[in-house]
Amino acid sequence: NAGVTQTPKFQVLKTGQSMTLQCAQDMNHNSMYWYRQDPGMGLRLIYYSASEGTTDKGEVPNGYNVSRLNKREFSLRLESAAPSQTSVYFCASSDAGLGKEKLFFGSGTQLSVL
Amino acid sequence: DAKTTQPNSMESNEEEPVHLPCNHSTISGTDYIHWYRQLPSQGPEYVIHGLTSNVNNRMASLAIAEDRKSSTLILHRATLRDAAVYYCILRPLGGKLIFGQGTELSVKP
Repeated sequence: NAGVTQTPKFQVLKTGQSMTLQCAQDMNHNSMYWYRQDPGMGLRLIYYSASEGTTDKGEVPNGYNVSRLNKREFSLRLESAAPSQTSVYFCASSDAGLGKEKLFFGSGTQLSVL
Repeated sequence: DAKTTQPNSMESNEEEPVHLPCNHSTISGTDYIHWYRQLPSQGPEYVIHGLTSNVNNRMASLAIAEDRKSSTLILHRATLRDAAVYYCILRPLGGKLIFGQGTELSVKP
């Protein structure tokens, strides 16, 4: 029962470096999401993908790009990392958005940008 | 997106019931009410959801006001493992989950 798998679990970057956070789900879900969580705060939606081939901006999309590679995988890319992007990143998936579907979350990626 | 309002923190004693309130006065007719919780150093996990009627599952109960402008998550017997941040979220049709600040629940032995 893998569920939602995120890699890596930890990452340290220098300002200006780029990296891609990977997320894969094995539940055949249509929708996938990327959230960030700063210390002592709730989760904020970065991007989401309602279905394969579509992506939409969330609350805080600036500085990020996403790719819905296929139904299973949804990656988040930081092209030029900034200290303000230091956060814990969570990927989630759910069935198509009729409103009642549960979201399943990965265990998170802790990213530090120096 | 409709917003929710929750107390920042609440305390409970172990093995006593806990009532976590949530106000959502701008809820629309098609918004589902979801509750998630986040244990320390973990991703959020689903607790319960409902639309109009009260709901029960093995984790909790959800009581929804008749006008749907508020709801209450009920943990029937709090345990130390229930200490977490509890998020009340409105999810519209075809919509995304937008988290608020949540309520930090502490449970005293």
